[in-house]
Amino acid sequence: AQRVTQPEKLLSVFKGAPVELKCNYSYSGSPELFWYVQYSRQRLQLLLRHISRESIKGFTADLNKGETSFHLKKPFAQEEDSAMYYCALSVPSSGSARQLTFGSGTQLTVLP
Amino acid sequence: NAGVTQTPKFRVLKTGQSMTLLCAQDMNHEYMYWYRQDPGMGLRLIHYSVGEGTTAKGEVPDGYNVSRLKKQNFLLGLESAAPSQTSVYFCASSVIQGNNQPQHFGDGTRLSIL
Repeated sequence: AQRVTQPEKLLSVFKGAPVELKCNYSYSGSPELFWYVQYSRQRLQLLLRHISRESIKGFTADLNKGETSFHLKKPFAQEEDSAMYYCALSVPSSGSARQLTFGSGTQLTVLP
Repeated sequence: NAGVTQTPKFRVLKTGQSMTLLCAQDMNHEYMYWYRQDPGMGLRLIHYSVGEGTTAKGEVPDGYNVSRLKKQNFLLGLESAAPSQTSVYFCASSVIQGNNQPQHFGDGTRLSIL
């Protein structure tokens, strides 16, 4: 069965410092990976997906199939980046459906 | 455009009581999902639906039932609530076509079972 591991429950960095949130996955097929973010008092929302190779709010994430990782990085953290971050793996379920398997999340705090 | 709306936002039940959580989406999405979020465990899929009139089990379906009588609504039922079902419940929806489609989440329902 698939699994997503986020080893850090809590992560604190100072404003302007680089930040890396770790995500490792186990899945026998071709992975589709996402990062979701939940800001305080807001709903869970998509941050970025690996297929798009995009940079959102300064964050990037590269899929490393050899290391089965999808770490989220930002070179200069901002206080508004403080939030709960979830890594998620999309796998096929029944028919054309897919389902997400989430990691346990990392609470990022950016200190002034 | 409200997106995904969950009602109620909070609820306290006694063990053995029943209740239904309602999820409504106005994005004409085919797929809808119910998750529960527990401390240290992330979100786990309870049930999902790939279209009106269809439902399927997720990772943790026991103790829950669902119905999708209308495309825009996905109901989650607890027939006989247990303290182990104390959790935050999230509903989500997504479009059908293509892979890598994101799920859109509601604000969550915080449910406590005494």
